Amino acid sequence: AQSVTQPDIHITVSEGASLELRCNYSYGATPYLFWYVQSPGQGLQLLLKYFSGDTLVQGIKGFEAEFKRSQSSFNLRKPSVHWSDAAEYFCAVVQNNDMRFGAGTRLTVKP
Amino acid sequence: KAGVTQTPRYLIKTRGQQVTLSCSPISGHRSVSWYQQTPGQGLQFLFEYFSETQRNKGNFPGRFSGRQFSNSRSEMNVSTLELGDSALYLCASSLRPGLGGQKGPGTQYFGPGTRLTVL
Repeated sequence: AQSVTQPDIHITVSEGASLELRCNYSYGATPYLFWYVQSPGQGLQLLLKYFSGDTLVQGIKGFEAEFKRSQSSFNLRKPSVHWSDAAEYFCAVVQNNDMRFGAGTRLTVKP
Repeated sequence: KAGVTQTPRYLIKTRGQQVTLSCSPISGHRSVSWYQQTPGQGLQFLFEYFSETQRNKGNFPGRFSGRQFSNSRSEMNVSTLELGDSALYLCASSLRPGLGGQKGPGTQYFGPGTRLTVL
C-alpha cells in the first residue's frame, strides 16, 4: 500500500545544532515530494519540493532535503537550528492525483 | 497579495447539524483543495477544485461535499455532523491543480484553517 512514514514523532535539538528529519515513502514509482512546516494555530507552509533532477533541493529558511531513490527517502536537513524553527514538520507525496502526508515530526528547540 | 483566507476561524456545532466552511484563494489562483487534520488520522486530502470542477476526491463519505464558484472561492459542506468530524479544516490554493497535471503539482498555499468542534 502507498504510504508516507515519518519515523520520529518528536525530536529535540539545541539551538545551533544540526537537524535531520526523516521521511520514507512506499510507492511504485517516484512520487512528487514535499516538506511543509506548521506552527501552532497556523496552516502549512511549503519549505521545499522535489519533482525531478538534482537530488539535493534547497528550500526556504535555510532548509534542504536530499532525495535518495535507493532508500525511498526524502530527508530534511538544516545545518544550524534557530529557536524559531520549533514547529511541526510534515513530509507529503503526490502521485496519481492523490496526496498523502506523513504523521508529522514535532521539533522542540532547546536554548 | 493577500493570502488564503478561511472563514469562520472557529465553529462549534452539535451532532446532526450541518456546517459550511468558506475559503477565498489568493487572487489569480484557480485551484482550491481541502484537507482535514485530526490528532488521530493526521492530515487527509478531502477534495480539489479547479475552475469550478471537482478534479479529485479523497476517501471521505458523501456527507462531505464542496463547490467552487466562478471567482474561485470555494465552500465545503459537512452534513449530519458526527463527533469524529471535529478537526482543523485547511484549504489551499494554487495557480494550477495542486495534485498534478502536465507540469506537475502546483505549489499550494495554505490558509490558517477553520477549527470545527462537534459536541
